[in-house]
Amino acid sequence: NAGVTQTPKFQVLKTGQSMTLQCAQDMNHNSMYWYRQDPGMGLRLIYYSASEGTTDKGEVPNGYNVSRLNKREFSLRLESAAPSQTSVYFCASSEAFNKGETQYFGPGTRLLVL
Amino acid sequence: KNQVEQSPQSLIILEGKNCTLQCNYTVSPFSNLRWYKQDTGRGPVSLTIMTFSENTKSNGRYTATLDADTKQSSLHITASQLSDSASYICVAGANNLFFGTGTRLTVIP
Repeated sequence: NAGVTQTPKFQVLKTGQSMTLQCAQDMNHNSMYWYRQDPGMGLRLIYYSASEGTTDKGEVPNGYNVSRLNKREFSLRLESAAPSQTSVYFCASSEAFNKGETQYFGPGTRLLVL
Repeated sequence: KNQVEQSPQSLIILEGKNCTLQCNYTVSPFSNLRWYKQDTGRGPVSLTIMTFSENTKSNGRYTATLDADTKQSSLHITASQLSDSASYICVAGANNLFFGTGTRLTVIP
Protein backbone atom coordinates (compact mmCIF):
# COMPACT_ATOMS: atom_id res chain seq x y z
CA ASN A 1 0.00 0.00 0.00
CA ALA A 2 2.01 2.97 -1.30
CA GLY A 3 -0.57 5.71 -0.57
CA VAL A 4 0.05 8.72 -2.82
CA THR A 5 2.99 8.58 -5.20
CA GLN A 6 4.41 11.39 -7.32
CA THR A 7 6.86 11.47 -10.20
CA PRO A 8 9.35 12.90 -10.77
CA LYS A 9 10.91 13.78 -7.41
CA PHE A 10 13.02 16.58 -8.88
CA GLN A 11 12.96 18.46 -12.16
CA VAL A 12 14.87 21.36 -13.68
CA LEU A 13 13.26 23.15 -16.61
CA LYS A 14 14.18 26.09 -18.78
CA THR A 15 11.69 28.90 -19.21
CA GLY A 16 9.15 27.98 -21.86
CA GLN A 17 9.57 24.22 -21.57
CA SER A 18 6.61 22.02 -20.75
CA MET A 19 6.25 19.08 -18.42
CA THR A 20 3.69 16.90 -16.69
CA LEU A 21 3.74 15.96 -13.04
CA GLN A 22 2.22 12.58 -12.33
CA CYS A 23 0.27 11.54 -9.27
CA ALA A 24 -1.35 8.24 -8.35
CA GLN A 25 -3.17 6.96 -5.26
CA ASP A 26 -4.04 3.40 -4.33
CA MET A 27 -6.56 4.14 -1.56
CA ASN A 28 -9.63 4.21 -3.85
CA HIS A 29 -10.18 7.86 -2.98
CA ASN A 30 -12.69 9.92 -4.91
CA SER A 31 -11.02 13.32 -4.57
CA MET A 32 -7.57 14.46 -5.57
CA TYR A 33 -5.73 17.77 -5.28
CA TRP A 34 -2.66 19.61 -6.50
CA TYR A 35 -0.96 22.13 -4.20
CA ARG A 36 2.15 24.24 -4.42
CA GLN A 37 4.30 25.19 -1.44
CA ASP A 38 6.54 28.25 -1.55
CA PRO A 39 8.87 29.59 1.14
CA GLY A 40 7.06 31.83 3.62
CA MET A 41 3.64 30.88 2.27
CA GLY A 42 1.14 28.23 3.17
CA LEU A 43 0.20 25.51 0.73
CA ARG A 44 -2.02 26.84 -2.01
CA LEU A 45 -4.51 24.84 -4.02
CA ILE A 46 -3.89 24.82 -7.77
CA TYR A 47 -6.59 22.47 -9.03
CA TYR A 48 -8.71 19.73 -7.59
CA SER A 49 -10.86 16.85 -8.78
CA ALA A 50 -13.77 16.23 -6.45
CA SER A 51 -14.61 12.99 -8.25
CA GLU A 52 -13.54 11.04 -11.31
CA GLY A 53 -14.46 12.98 -14.42
CA THR A 54 -14.49 16.42 -12.80
CA THR A 55 -11.82 19.07 -12.30
CA ASP A 56 -12.02 22.58 -10.88
CA LYS A 57 -9.75 25.54 -10.35
CA GLY A 58 -8.29 26.29 -6.98
CA GLU A 59 -6.68 29.44 -5.68
CA VAL A 60 -3.75 29.66 -8.13
CA PRO A 61 -4.64 27.87 -11.41
CA ASN A 62 -2.99 30.21 -13.94
CA GLY A 63 -0.30 28.52 -16.02
CA TYR A 64 -1.45 24.99 -15.17
CA ASN A 65 -3.77 22.36 -16.58
CA VAL A 66 -4.88 19.08 -15.06
CA SER A 67 -6.24 15.74 -16.15
CA ARG A 68 -8.07 13.20 -14.02
CA LEU A 69 -7.03 10.22 -16.08
CA ASN A 70 -8.99 7.72 -14.01
CA LYS A 71 -9.90 7.28 -10.35
CA ARG A 72 -6.27 6.59 -9.40
CA GLU A 73 -4.37 9.20 -11.41
CA PHE A 74 -4.36 12.99 -11.51
CA SER A 75 -1.73 14.82 -13.54
CA LEU A 76 -0.63 18.46 -13.54
CA ARG A 77 0.76 20.03 -16.71
CA LEU A 78 2.84 23.14 -17.14
CA GLU A 79 2.51 24.15 -20.78
CA SER A 80 5.16 26.90 -20.78
CA ALA A 81 7.12 26.98 -17.56
CA ALA A 82 8.02 30.30 -15.94
CA PRO A 83 10.48 31.04 -13.10
CA SER A 84 7.49 31.95 -10.91
CA GLN A 85 6.47 28.29 -11.07
CA THR A 86 9.59 27.23 -9.21
CA SER A 87 8.08 25.51 -6.21
CA VAL A 88 7.42 22.24 -4.45
CA TYR A 89 4.30 20.56 -5.77
CA PHE A 90 2.23 18.22 -3.65
CA CYS A 91 -0.53 15.91 -4.75
CA ALA A 92 -3.11 14.82 -2.19
CA SER A 93 -6.17 12.62 -2.07
CA SER A 94 -9.16 12.13 0.20
CA GLU A 95 -12.16 9.87 0.37
CA ALA A 96 -14.56 12.74 -0.24
CA PHE A 97 -14.18 16.36 -1.22
CA ASN A 98 -13.24 18.52 1.76
CA LYS A 99 -15.97 17.22 4.03
CA GLY A 100 -13.77 16.85 7.04
CA GLU A 101 -11.96 13.91 5.49
CA THR A 102 -8.26 13.43 6.01
CA GLN A 103 -6.14 14.46 3.06
CA TYR A 104 -3.17 12.20 2.33
CA PHE A 105 -0.22 13.89 0.70
CA GLY A 106 2.43 12.56 -1.62
CA PRO A 107 6.17 13.16 -1.11
CA GLY A 108 6.28 16.16 -3.43
CA THR A 109 7.98 17.18 -6.67
CA ARG A 110 10.66 19.85 -6.44
CA LEU A 111 10.64 21.97 -9.59
CA LEU A 112 13.20 24.57 -10.56
CA VAL A 113 12.53 26.75 -13.60
CA LEU A 114 15.54 28.63 -14.88
CA LYS B 1 -9.50 38.14 3.59
CA ASN B 2 -9.12 34.51 4.61
CA GLN B 3 -6.07 34.08 6.80
CA VAL B 4 -4.44 31.53 9.04
CA GLU B 5 -1.68 32.84 11.30
CA GLN B 6 0.60 30.66 13.37
CA SER B 7 2.91 31.46 16.24
CA PRO B 8 5.67 31.20 17.01
CA GLN B 9 7.38 30.93 13.63
CA SER B 10 10.02 28.71 15.17
CA LEU B 11 10.63 27.05 18.50
CA ILE B 12 13.49 25.12 20.08
CA ILE B 13 12.80 22.89 23.08
CA LEU B 14 14.64 20.24 25.05
CA GLU B 15 13.73 16.61 24.58
CA GLY B 16 11.12 15.55 27.10
CA LYS B 17 9.61 19.01 27.51
CA ASN B 18 6.08 20.04 26.52
CA CYS B 19 5.20 22.81 24.11
CA THR B 20 2.14 24.55 22.68
CA LEU B 21 1.76 25.95 19.21
CA GLN B 22 -0.85 28.60 18.40
CA CYS B 23 -3.12 29.20 15.44
CA ASN B 24 -5.48 32.12 14.81
CA TYR B 25 -7.76 32.02 11.81
CA THR B 26 -10.17 34.32 10.01
CA VAL B 27 -11.77 32.01 7.49
CA SER B 28 -15.28 31.91 6.15
CA PRO B 29 -17.02 29.62 5.71
CA PHE B 30 -15.54 27.50 8.48
CA SER B 31 -16.36 23.93 9.35
CA ASN B 32 -13.12 22.24 10.35
CA LEU B 33 -9.66 22.88 11.73
CA ARG B 34 -6.72 20.58 10.95
CA TRP B 35 -3.19 20.17 12.16
CA TYR B 36 -0.53 18.59 9.99
CA LYS B 37 3.07 17.57 10.69
CA GLN B 38 5.57 18.06 7.86
CA ASP B 39 9.04 16.60 8.09
CA THR B 40 11.74 18.29 6.04
CA GLY B 41 11.52 17.19 2.43
CA ARG B 42 8.30 15.21 2.93
CA GLY B 43 4.60 15.79 2.43
CA PRO B 44 2.33 16.87 5.29
CA VAL B 45 0.80 14.16 7.47
CA SER B 46 -2.51 14.68 9.23
CA LEU B 47 -2.44 14.80 13.04
CA THR B 48 -5.96 15.91 13.95
CA ILE B 49 -9.16 17.16 12.35
CA MET B 50 -11.78 18.96 14.44
CA THR B 51 -15.19 20.16 13.37
CA PHE B 52 -16.42 23.54 14.60
CA SER B 53 -18.40 21.84 17.39
CA GLU B 54 -15.40 20.00 18.86
CA ASN B 55 -13.21 21.54 21.55
CA THR B 56 -10.39 19.05 21.75
CA LYS B 57 -8.95 16.06 19.96
CA SER B 58 -5.95 13.93 20.78
CA ASN B 59 -3.62 11.77 18.75
CA GLY B 60 -1.10 10.14 21.05
CA ARG B 61 1.12 12.86 22.51
CA TYR B 62 -0.55 15.51 20.35
CA THR B 63 -3.62 17.33 21.65
CA ALA B 64 -5.40 19.99 19.63
CA THR B 65 -7.91 22.45 21.02
CA LEU B 66 -10.37 24.66 19.22
CA ASP B 67 -12.27 27.74 20.32
CA ALA B 68 -14.55 28.60 17.41
CA ASP B 69 -15.82 31.71 19.18
CA THR B 70 -12.39 33.34 19.38
CA LYS B 71 -11.18 31.59 16.23
CA GLN B 72 -8.16 30.13 17.94
CA SER B 73 -6.62 26.69 18.02
CA SER B 74 -3.61 25.24 19.74
CA LEU B 75 -1.54 22.10 19.39
CA HIS B 76 0.02 20.78 22.58
CA ILE B 77 2.88 18.30 22.35
CA THR B 78 3.62 16.31 25.48
CA ALA B 79 6.99 14.79 26.41
CA SER B 80 8.64 15.84 23.16
CA GLN B 81 10.89 13.48 21.24
CA LEU B 82 13.65 14.15 18.74
CA SER B 83 11.33 12.81 16.02
CA ASP B 84 8.88 15.64 16.76
CA SER B 85 11.29 18.02 15.00
CA ALA B 86 9.23 19.18 12.02
CA SER B 87 6.97 21.96 10.80
CA TYR B 88 3.44 21.97 12.17
CA ILE B 89 0.80 23.42 9.90
CA CYS B 90 -2.63 24.68 10.90
CA VAL B 91 -5.39 24.50 8.28
CA ALA B 92 -8.87 26.01 8.51
CA GLY B 93 -11.86 26.12 6.21
CA ALA B 94 -14.76 24.22 4.77
CA ASN B 95 -14.84 23.32 1.07
CA ASN B 96 -11.91 25.70 0.63
CA LEU B 97 -9.00 25.08 2.98
CA PHE B 98 -6.50 27.74 4.01
CA PHE B 99 -3.04 26.77 5.21
CA GLY B 100 -0.86 28.57 7.71
CA THR B 101 2.86 28.97 7.08
CA GLY B 102 3.70 26.61 9.93
CA THR B 103 5.71 26.57 13.13
CA ARG B 104 9.16 25.05 12.79
CA LEU B 105 9.82 22.95 15.93
CA THR B 106 13.30 21.72 16.78
CA VAL B 107 13.73 19.27 19.65
CA ILE B 108 17.27 19.06 20.98
CA PRO B 109 18.78 16.38 23.24
